[in-house]
Amino acid sequence: SSELTQDPAVSVALGQTVRITCQGDPLRSHYATWYQQKPGQAPVLVIYAKNNRPSGIPDRFSGSSSGNTASLTISGAQAEDEADYFCYSRNSSANRLKVFGGGTKLTVL
Amino acid sequence: QVQLQESGPGLVRPSGTLSLTCVVSGGSIISGVWWSWVRQPPGKGLEWIGEVYQSGSTNYNPSLKSRVTISLDSSKNHFSLNLSSVTAADTAIYYCAREMKGSNYDGDQWYYYYYMDIWGKGTTVAVS
Repeated sequence: SSELTQDPAVSVALGQTVRITCQGDPLRSHYATWYQQKPGQAPVLVIYAKNNRPSGIPDRFSGSSSGNTASLTISGAQAEDEADYFCYSRNSSANRLKVFGGGTKLTVL
Repeated sequence: QVQLQESGPGLVRPSGTLSLTCVVSGGSIISGVWWSWVRQPPGKGLEWIGEVYQSGSTNYNPSLKSRVTISLDSSKNHFSLNLSSVTAADTAIYYCAREMKGSNYDGDQWYYYYYMDIWGKGTTVAVS
């Protein structure tokens, strides 16, 4: 079982704002990284180091963190944002191992 | 820019060993970063397999540790995954990736972060 917990599915109306969360004790001292994955494609990095976007990622994607919860916010969701989103971080503060959250399927209505 | 490409057999027999290679192009594998393997069974989420550093140091997923070996060959600029005693549960898309790390002092404490910024396209391996 994953040490990082995500809601399995979230939906949002086109153009609205949606927040996808990731919970786990390691997040109290380790930022979550967020990946977007569309069917048949490799994961794409969308947020790292709390709220940094790689080149090419739209600024409607943002990240935040509080306590044991990390959040990915999409402000003004577009149809092309429909995808699976995975958080990623350390498995535990006691070791060097890594873990992915179970993933959240985002549906844009 | 750095690119990664996985290669290896697409079919492995049960109880056999799955062997994959990830070739690093556009940059040196000796660059102070970790190199990782991730897999994704059909219809399921991502699973971290493990990672290797330029020194040969490794970290593995505890659920796979007894069966997995990740190594690096700087002369060929590639790193490899070996997974022994495979079963149908090891059928998956296998990805290689480059992992970056860092830290920030935020508020009143240090935070550490890890991210795989460059991924291969993935290779499908079936165990049958």
